[in-house]
Amino acid sequence: AQSVAQPEDQVNVAEGNPLTVKCTYSVSGNPYLFWYVQYPNRGLQFLLKYITGDNLVKGSYGFEAEFNKSQTSFHLKKPSALVSDSALYFCAVRDSTGANNLFFGTGTRLTVIP
Amino acid sequence: EAQVTQNPRYLITVTGKKLTVTCSQNMNHEYMSWYRQDPGLGLRQIYYSMNVEVTDKGDVPEGYKVSRKEKRNFPLILESPSPNQTSLYFCASSLTAQRADTQYFGPGTRLTVL
Repeated sequence: AQSVAQPEDQVNVAEGNPLTVKCTYSVSGNPYLFWYVQYPNRGLQFLLKYITGDNLVKGSYGFEAEFNKSQTSFHLKKPSALVSDSALYFCAVRDSTGANNLFFGTGTRLTVIP
Repeated sequence: EAQVTQNPRYLITVTGKKLTVTCSQNMNHEYMSWYRQDPGLGLRQIYYSMNVEVTDKGDVPEGYKVSRKEKRNFPLILESPSPNQTSLYFCASSLTAQRADTQYFGPGTRLTVL
């Protein structure tokens, strides 16, 4: 069975500092991994995904994520945080069967402090 | 503009009163899905559809029904809502059911069942 863990409910970082939002996964077969962001009163917006290839994936708004197969992790990173990055972040893994079903982590609330 | 729309955005109802939340996408996507979001639980899949007239249960289907008579529409039906169905609901779609396809989310429907 597939699962995703986001070990931190809340991450606080000062504006301008690098940020990391952690995600580990468990899936049979090759993982397809995604990050989504949810701003207040909004739906989920796609940030980036790892399918295959380069372990460092670049996405929207300056975010990137590093796929680490040995540690089964897919941490979201950004070199310099902005106050506008404050939001709820979800990591997700694709179902390993034929259907396109996503399994989400519980979310990490990122607060960037001015 | 390519988008997933949901209606209504907010709904307060009473136990047992049947309701339907509509979902529509204008991207000619084959795959559609419903999720519910609850604090501390992340998003959990309710039902999904890989194409017209093809639907299947997700992780938490109890108390919900869906139909997929047309490609663009995927309504969520609560025949007899109960307070434990108070939640934030998201519809999503992707081009196909392929594992690499990105899912795009609607703005959400906040449902309160009294």
